[in-house]
Amino acid sequence: RKEVEQDPGPFNVPEGATVAFNCTYSNSASQSFFWYRQDCRKEPKLLMSVYSSGNEDGRFTAQLNRASQYISLLIRDSKLSDSATYLCVVSNDYKLSFGAGTTVTVRA
Amino acid sequence: DAGVTQSPTHLIKTRGQQVTLRCSPKSGHDTVSWYQQALGQGPQFIFQYYEEEERQRGNFPDRFSGHQYPNYSSELNVNALLLGDSALYLCASSLIGTVNNEQFFGPGTRLTVL
Repeated sequence: RKEVEQDPGPFNVPEGATVAFNCTYSNSASQSFFWYRQDCRKEPKLLMSVYSSGNEDGRFTAQLNRASQYISLLIRDSKLSDSATYLCVVSNDYKLSFGAGTTVTVRA
Repeated sequence: DAGVTQSPTHLIKTRGQQVTLRCSPKSGHDTVSWYQQALGQGPQFIFQYYEEEERQRGNFPDRFSGHQYPNYSSELNVNALLLGDSALYLCASSLIGTVNNEQFFGPGTRLTVL
């Protein structure tokens, strides 16, 4: 079983739409959780950390459910610039484990 | 403030050859991790270096080795290259003891093995 599993998408949404997707992780002892964004052929960049209480950063909302080992990301009012691959990331003992990514395309 | 830098950006090798990739961490960081990202996949952890020693290792064969220098820069060496080693190799730096282990990635080295 993979350490982190994500819905691969792709999600193709119009500008202004809301899109949500999630991932699950297998190691219940995982310590930290993140969403990274990766543009085509570029390096991953941290989008936001994810906390048990849930957190927002502008149009982005992340949720963590430790009991279900489930992480979600919601993007409101999608912009063309949100088109990217979103990587779900779990940290164990300073090692990052990545999902395969969810591809989001926002169309005009 | 310089971010994480990697060299070279692209590299083409043939099967059986050896390759060395280089990484300079973000200023103030002391830990370097290496990841391999195959096409269509998420990055896979290779190993992490701290205080010039390999601290953790992922599920990669001994053909993959590394080094960290006193200035915290790092090298990734791959021997006896296979076609399957073709990938984007990412270096990430961090500061030990950071609460959430945030890692910053370099632009990567794209390795093609023919």
